[in-house]
Amino acid sequence: AQSVTQLGSHVSVSEGALVLLRCNYSSSVPPYLFWYVQYPNQGLQLLLKYTSAATLVKGINGFEAEFKKSETSFHLTKPSAHMSDAAEYFCAVSEGSNYKLTFGKGTLLTVNP
Amino acid sequence: DTAVSQTPKYLVTQMGNDKSIKCEQNLGHDTMYWYKQDSKKFLKIMFSYNNKELIINETVPNRFSPKSPDKAHLNLHINSLELGDSAVYFCASSQEGRPYEQYFGPGTRLTVT
Repeated sequence: AQSVTQLGSHVSVSEGALVLLRCNYSSSVPPYLFWYVQYPNQGLQLLLKYTSAATLVKGINGFEAEFKKSETSFHLTKPSAHMSDAAEYFCAVSEGSNYKLTFGKGTLLTVNP
Repeated sequence: DTAVSQTPKYLVTQMGNDKSIKCEQNLGHDTMYWYKQDSKKFLKIMFSYNNKELIINETVPNRFSPKSPDKAHLNLHINSLELGDSAVYFCASSQEGRPYEQYFGPGTRLTVT
Protein backbone atom coordinates (compact mmCIF):
# COMPACT_ATOMS: atom_id res chain seq x y z
CA ALA A 1 0.00 0.00 0.00
CA GLN A 2 1.18 3.51 -0.73
CA SER A 3 1.19 6.39 1.72
CA VAL A 4 2.63 9.86 2.13
CA THR A 5 3.67 11.78 5.23
CA GLN A 6 4.20 15.51 5.10
CA LEU A 7 6.15 16.78 8.08
CA GLY A 8 4.79 20.08 9.31
CA SER A 9 1.26 21.16 8.59
CA HIS A 10 2.36 24.79 8.52
CA VAL A 11 5.63 26.34 7.39
CA SER A 12 6.29 30.05 7.65
CA VAL A 13 9.20 31.79 5.90
CA SER A 14 10.28 35.32 5.16
CA GLU A 15 10.23 36.64 1.63
CA GLY A 16 13.55 35.77 -0.02
CA ALA A 17 14.27 32.89 2.35
CA LEU A 18 14.70 29.24 1.43
CA VAL A 19 11.55 27.17 1.24
CA LEU A 20 11.76 23.52 2.35
CA LEU A 21 8.65 21.38 2.51
CA ARG A 22 9.17 17.79 3.62
CA CYS A 23 7.59 14.66 2.21
CA ASN A 24 8.28 11.01 2.98
CA TYR A 25 6.57 8.17 1.19
CA SER A 26 5.90 4.49 1.53
CA SER A 27 5.40 2.28 -1.49
CA SER A 28 5.72 -1.44 -2.21
CA VAL A 29 6.92 -0.76 -5.76
CA PRO A 30 9.05 2.00 -7.30
CA PRO A 31 6.91 5.06 -6.84
CA TYR A 32 5.92 8.00 -8.94
CA LEU A 33 5.96 11.14 -6.79
CA PHE A 34 4.33 14.51 -7.22
CA TRP A 35 3.91 17.90 -5.67
CA TYR A 36 0.69 19.80 -6.19
CA VAL A 37 -0.09 23.37 -5.11
CA GLN A 38 -3.50 24.70 -4.10
CA TYR A 39 -4.02 28.46 -4.01
CA PRO A 40 -6.89 29.74 -1.86
CA ASN A 41 -10.29 28.74 -3.20
CA GLN A 42 -8.82 27.00 -6.23
CA GLY A 43 -8.22 23.47 -7.43
CA LEU A 44 -4.88 21.71 -7.33
CA GLN A 45 -2.16 22.41 -9.87
CA LEU A 46 0.72 20.06 -10.66
CA LEU A 47 4.06 21.64 -9.62
CA LEU A 48 6.41 18.83 -10.56
CA LYS A 49 6.66 15.07 -10.91
CA TYR A 50 9.17 12.26 -10.52
CA THR A 51 8.57 9.26 -12.76
CA SER A 52 11.84 7.30 -12.45
CA ALA A 53 14.02 9.49 -14.64
CA ALA A 54 16.36 12.12 -13.14
CA THR A 55 16.23 12.20 -9.35
CA LEU A 56 16.37 16.01 -9.23
CA VAL A 57 13.17 17.33 -10.72
CA LYS A 58 12.50 20.93 -11.65
CA GLY A 59 9.00 22.30 -11.71
CA ILE A 60 7.16 25.51 -12.29
CA ASN A 61 7.70 28.78 -10.40
CA GLY A 62 11.30 27.91 -9.45
CA PHE A 63 10.47 24.86 -7.33
CA GLU A 64 12.44 21.65 -7.41
CA ALA A 65 12.42 18.34 -5.56
CA GLU A 66 14.90 15.54 -5.13
CA PHE A 67 13.98 11.86 -4.99
CA LYS A 68 16.09 10.05 -2.38
CA LYS A 69 15.32 6.35 -2.35
CA SER A 70 17.52 5.62 0.68
CA GLU A 71 15.59 8.17 2.73
CA THR A 72 12.20 7.51 1.04
CA SER A 73 11.91 11.25 0.70
CA PHE A 74 10.84 13.76 -1.92
CA HIS A 75 11.31 17.18 -0.32
CA LEU A 76 10.27 20.33 -2.16
CA THR A 77 12.57 23.35 -2.20
CA LYS A 78 12.79 26.84 -3.60
CA PRO A 79 15.86 29.03 -3.04
CA SER A 80 14.00 32.28 -2.53
CA ALA A 81 10.38 32.56 -1.41
CA HIS A 82 8.03 35.02 -3.03
CA MET A 83 4.80 36.34 -1.58
CA SER A 84 2.90 34.64 -4.39
CA ASP A 85 4.15 31.23 -3.19
CA ALA A 86 1.78 31.34 -0.22
CA ALA A 87 -0.50 28.35 -0.69
CA GLU A 88 -1.21 24.79 0.43
CA TYR A 89 1.23 22.20 -0.92
CA PHE A 90 0.41 18.52 -1.31
CA CYS A 91 2.80 15.66 -1.86
CA ALA A 92 1.34 12.62 -3.61
CA VAL A 93 2.45 9.11 -4.55
CA SER A 94 1.33 6.71 -7.23
CA GLU A 95 2.52 3.11 -7.49
CA GLY A 96 3.73 3.00 -11.03
CA SER A 97 1.25 3.95 -13.68
CA ASN A 98 -1.93 3.05 -11.83
CA TYR A 99 -4.68 5.60 -11.61
CA LYS A 100 -4.68 6.11 -7.87
CA LEU A 101 -2.95 9.12 -6.36
CA THR A 102 -2.54 9.08 -2.59
CA PHE A 103 -2.09 12.54 -1.12
CA GLY A 104 -0.40 13.73 2.04
CA LYS A 105 -2.29 15.96 4.44
CA GLY A 106 -0.81 19.12 3.00
CA THR A 107 1.53 21.84 4.24
CA LEU A 108 0.37 25.42 4.40
CA LEU A 109 3.16 27.79 3.36
CA THR A 110 2.94 31.38 4.52
CA VAL A 111 5.40 33.99 3.32
CA ASN A 112 6.04 37.00 5.51
CA PRO A 113 7.15 40.36 4.07
CA ASP B 1 -10.92 28.54 -21.65
CA THR B 2 -11.59 26.41 -18.58
CA ALA B 3 -9.98 22.96 -18.84
CA VAL B 4 -11.93 21.21 -16.06
CA SER B 5 -15.12 22.89 -14.92
CA GLN B 6 -17.54 22.05 -12.15
CA THR B 7 -21.02 23.26 -11.35
CA PRO B 8 -22.14 24.52 -8.99
CA LYS B 9 -19.24 26.19 -7.21
CA TYR B 10 -21.19 26.37 -3.95
CA LEU B 11 -24.03 24.14 -2.82
CA VAL B 12 -25.93 24.57 0.43
CA THR B 13 -28.64 22.07 1.21
CA GLN B 14 -30.43 20.34 4.04
CA MET B 15 -29.91 16.87 5.42
CA GLY B 16 -31.85 14.21 3.59
CA ASN B 17 -31.87 15.99 0.24
CA ASP B 18 -30.50 14.57 -3.02
CA LYS B 19 -28.06 16.68 -5.03
CA SER B 20 -25.80 16.42 -8.06
CA ILE B 21 -22.49 18.00 -8.97
CA LYS B 22 -21.47 18.18 -12.60
CA CYS B 23 -18.00 18.02 -14.10
CA GLU B 24 -16.84 18.60 -17.65
CA GLN B 25 -13.37 18.58 -19.19
CA ASN B 26 -12.42 19.92 -22.60
CA LEU B 27 -8.88 18.48 -22.62
CA GLY B 28 -9.75 15.34 -24.56
CA HIS B 29 -8.72 13.21 -21.60
CA ASP B 30 -9.84 9.61 -21.16
CA THR B 31 -9.94 9.38 -17.41
CA MET B 32 -11.87 11.41 -14.86
CA TYR B 33 -11.89 11.38 -11.06
CA TRP B 34 -13.82 12.60 -8.05
CA TYR B 35 -11.99 13.59 -4.86
CA LYS B 36 -13.29 14.70 -1.49
CA GLN B 37 -11.38 17.30 0.55
CA ASP B 38 -12.48 17.50 4.16
CA SER B 39 -12.32 20.44 6.55
CA LYS B 40 -8.71 19.59 7.43
CA LYS B 41 -7.77 19.77 3.75
CA PHE B 42 -7.24 16.00 3.52
CA LEU B 43 -7.79 14.94 -0.08
CA LYS B 44 -9.04 11.43 -0.84
CA ILE B 45 -10.03 9.80 -4.08
CA MET B 46 -13.59 8.55 -4.38
CA PHE B 47 -14.08 7.34 -7.93
CA SER B 48 -12.37 7.15 -11.29
CA TYR B 49 -13.77 6.48 -14.75
CA ASN B 50 -11.74 5.55 -17.82
CA ASN B 51 -13.60 5.81 -21.11
CA LYS B 52 -16.91 5.71 -19.22
CA GLU B 53 -15.90 2.60 -17.30
CA LEU B 54 -15.52 2.63 -13.50
CA ILE B 55 -11.93 1.75 -12.56
CA ILE B 56 -11.58 3.07 -9.02
CA ASN B 57 -14.31 2.81 -6.42
CA GLU B 58 -12.96 3.55 -2.98
CA THR B 59 -14.81 2.84 0.24
CA VAL B 60 -17.56 5.37 -0.28
CA PRO B 61 -21.16 5.08 0.97
CA ASN B 62 -23.48 3.83 -1.75
CA ARG B 63 -25.41 7.08 -1.38
CA PHE B 64 -22.73 8.42 -3.71
CA SER B 65 -23.14 7.42 -7.34
CA PRO B 66 -20.96 8.65 -10.18
CA LYS B 67 -22.33 8.78 -13.69
CA SER B 68 -20.33 9.24 -16.87
CA PRO B 69 -22.54 9.94 -19.89
CA ASP B 70 -19.48 10.37 -22.10
CA LYS B 71 -15.70 10.73 -21.85
CA ALA B 72 -15.88 14.46 -21.20
CA HIS B 73 -18.36 14.36 -18.33
CA LEU B 74 -18.41 12.78 -14.89
CA ASN B 75 -21.24 13.72 -12.58
CA LEU B 76 -21.60 12.92 -8.90
CA HIS B 77 -25.03 12.26 -7.44
CA ILE B 78 -25.49 12.12 -3.69
CA ASN B 79 -28.63 10.73 -2.06
CA SER B 80 -29.89 11.39 1.45
CA LEU B 81 -27.25 13.96 2.28
CA GLU B 82 -25.70 13.87 5.76
CA LEU B 83 -23.84 16.49 7.78
CA GLY B 84 -20.60 14.55 7.27
CA ASP B 85 -20.88 14.98 3.52
CA SER B 86 -19.97 18.65 3.91
CA ALA B 87 -16.67 19.08 2.10
CA VAL B 88 -15.11 20.40 -1.07
CA TYR B 89 -15.47 17.98 -3.97
CA PHE B 90 -12.92 18.13 -6.76
CA CYS B 91 -13.18 16.68 -10.21
CA ALA B 92 -9.98 15.87 -12.12
CA SER B 93 -8.97 14.36 -15.43
CA SER B 94 -5.90 12.78 -17.00
CA GLN B 95 -4.85 11.65 -20.45
CA GLU B 96 -4.25 8.12 -21.67
CA GLY B 97 -0.93 6.75 -20.43
CA ARG B 98 -0.39 9.53 -17.86
CA PRO B 99 -2.87 8.84 -15.10
CA TYR B 100 -0.69 10.44 -12.48
CA GLU B 101 -0.71 13.86 -14.17
CA GLN B 102 -4.12 15.01 -13.17
CA TYR B 103 -5.79 18.33 -13.92
CA PHE B 104 -8.17 19.54 -11.26
CA GLY B 105 -11.34 21.56 -11.43
CA PRO B 106 -11.96 24.53 -9.11
CA GLY B 107 -14.00 22.48 -6.64
CA THR B 108 -17.57 22.47 -5.35
CA ARG B 109 -18.05 23.46 -1.73
CA LEU B 110 -20.96 21.41 -0.37
CA THR B 111 -22.50 22.47 2.92
CA VAL B 112 -25.14 20.28 4.49
CA THR B 113 -27.21 21.90 7.24
